[in-house]
Amino acid sequence: NAGVMQNPRHLVRRRGQEARLRCSPMKGHSHVYWYRQLPEEGLKFMVYLQKENIIDESGMPKERFSAEFPKEGPSILRIQQVVRGDSAAYFCASSPGRVGEQFFGPGTRLTVL
Amino acid sequence: GQQVMQIPQYQHVQEGEDFTTYCNSSTTLSNIQWYKQRPGGHPVFLIQLVKSGEVKKQKRLTFQFGEAKKNSSLHITATQTTDVGTYFCAGPDAGGTSYGKLTFGQGTILTVHP
Repeated sequence: NAGVMQNPRHLVRRRGQEARLRCSPMKGHSHVYWYRQLPEEGLKFMVYLQKENIIDESGMPKERFSAEFPKEGPSILRIQQVVRGDSAAYFCASSPGRVGEQFFGPGTRLTVL
Repeated sequence: GQQVMQIPQYQHVQEGEDFTTYCNSSTTLSNIQWYKQRPGGHPVFLIQLVKSGEVKKQKRLTFQFGEAKKNSSLHITATQTTDVGTYFCAGPDAGGTSYGKLTFGQGTILTVHP
């Protein structure tokens, strides 16, 4: 049973470009969470999605950031017009239900030049 | 909003020494989870505690959940170099539709010197 998959693992963008981060949850998991982590800091919740629905986006900046989890295909975290402050590791996690263990993917390390 | 605090931020120990990290929440938690993240890696689930006063053991690791369900601790006996990493506690949102959302503590970075 494959774990949570994220791609790309490393992404370099110039200021003003768009970044698209993909997450495929574990098989059978319909709950997806995105977290951001700065070096030597904890994980900050960004958004919680369940198939085709955004459940909670309270941790996501209102501008430039968006997320989706379509009926078919991976969840996408999109960052438009990236700035240097967006440089971080972005982790996706999935779970079979709302309660309990979350399974994390390997993360996407975004560097904005 | 809900806040989860962890202390200490850093802990350096000699191999064989014990290690403890403490977690405190600003709100009562329905459960608390612990994760470990190796350097350069991703968080990996260790355990979930649900009951007031609960104590669980995993080999050299002992996890406790406070009676008031607002604090927790992780204790490692006789640390080994394989214990190196950052240990995070996390609690679910206080209620509502976003029950799955986790608030993480800032983590304790453990270094073990051989």
